[in-house]
Amino acid sequence: GENVEQHPSTLSVQEGDSAVIKCTYSDSASNYFPWYKQELGKRPQLIIDIRSNVGEKKDQRIAVTLNKTAKHFSLHITETQPEDSAVYFCAGTRGGGNKLTFGTGTQLKVEL
Amino acid sequence: GAVVSQHPSRVICKSGTSVKIECRSLDFQATTMFWYRQFPKKSLMLMATSNEGSKATYEQGVEKDKFLINHASLTLSTLTVTSAHPEDSSFYICSAYLDRDGYTFGSGTRLTVV
Repeated sequence: GENVEQHPSTLSVQEGDSAVIKCTYSDSASNYFPWYKQELGKRPQLIIDIRSNVGEKKDQRIAVTLNKTAKHFSLHITETQPEDSAVYFCAGTRGGGNKLTFGTGTQLKVEL
Repeated sequence: GAVVSQHPSRVICKSGTSVKIECRSLDFQATTMFWYRQFPKKSLMLMATSNEGSKATYEQGVEKDKFLINHASLTLSTLTVTSAHPEDSSFYICSAYLDRDGYTFGSGTRLTVV
């Protein structure tokens, strides 16, 4: 089955700096890779996603890159703000279907 | 966008009792609903996939007799934790998938078994 690894588990940055979170996956049939932000006790919120036929996608301060050959994808947040502090999860579809496998999560803390 | 309503948001129950969690799709029909559990500071782990009108498919290691899933209509899927024990205490969350909206999550249910 799909295995999604995520690093780092915790990340502290200064306000205004960039943050990068990386994930690797094992299932070559995976074709959809969303990133979620989750605040304590809340539902995951989609912040950006990418499909396997695209190498990069950007939405304002957030970008995702995908390297299908190496089976890894990364989340880039620029100009970080305190409100970006949360847990971020990457995910990948399993076997090309609709089941999602989540990464282990990254606790991002943006310090003033 | 699509909305999934999940209830209750919090529930405390005694050991040995059963708890039902409901997820309703409010403005769309969900033929499939995914159920996850999340332990504190951990990731979301897929438990099972409920399919309208047919049996749910469970992930390896998930007891189907312990976690009963019913998907009797296109707008309602339920998860019942039977004979709950303290180790079942967790955050349970459902999700539906739509081609136009991607994955939509319920608001989650915090279950505490005492």
